[in-house]
Amino acid sequence: QKEVEQNSGPLSVPEGAIASLNCTYSDRGSQSFFWYRQYSGKSPELIMSIYSNGDKEDGRFTAQLNKASQYVSLLIRDSQPSDSATYLCAAAGDSGGSNYKLTFGKGTLLTVNP
Amino acid sequence: DGGITQSPKYLFRKEGQNVTLSCEQNLNHDAMYWYRQDPGQGLRLIYYSQIVNDFQKGDIAEGYSVSREKKESFPLTVTSAQKNPTAFYLCASSIAGLTEAFFGQGTRLTVV
Repeated sequence: QKEVEQNSGPLSVPEGAIASLNCTYSDRGSQSFFWYRQYSGKSPELIMSIYSNGDKEDGRFTAQLNKASQYVSLLIRDSQPSDSATYLCAAAGDSGGSNYKLTFGKGTLLTVNP
Repeated sequence: DGGITQSPKYLFRKEGQNVTLSCEQNLNHDAMYWYRQDPGQGLRLIYYSQIVNDFQKGDIAEGYSVSREKKESFPLTVTSAQKNPTAFYLCASSIAGLTEAFFGQGTRLTVV
């Protein structure tokens, strides 16, 4: 069973700082990776998708993928109190050829302090 | 508005009863998913479907059943065989494999 691992946190950063969220995955067949933000009591919303090694930037968010190390990260620059939420890492695809199976980590709780 | 609609938002079930959670999408997505979330836990995959009339078990399928008779609809039945059904249930869809999934607003099921 493939796994996606995240530190549960909580991760606490001051307003304006950079928040760094990390994720590792066990199945080398995973091909696509996603970061979701989930506010308490709400459903997850997509923040970033990353498919190839390297960095991908979108506004204050940067996703990084290193397939050799099986590592995905999300950087949030100029963190705001509204960024306080649980961040979920997800991986799609596996070594068994199942492109449709989407597996999530348990999430990291981020708190941004004013 | 395009999106994924789950109903009801809150559902109460007596022990021993089956209940069905609705999920409808008008995004013309091929794939649909059902996840369960417990407090402090991530999302655990119950079932997923790549195409109409086809679906696969996820990691925690025991006590659940699904159908995919139409592309737009993927209902989940929580049967009496599910020993601890109280949870937040999330339906999602994606246009294809390896692509991002989008979520409905969820159904919070409570056994009373």
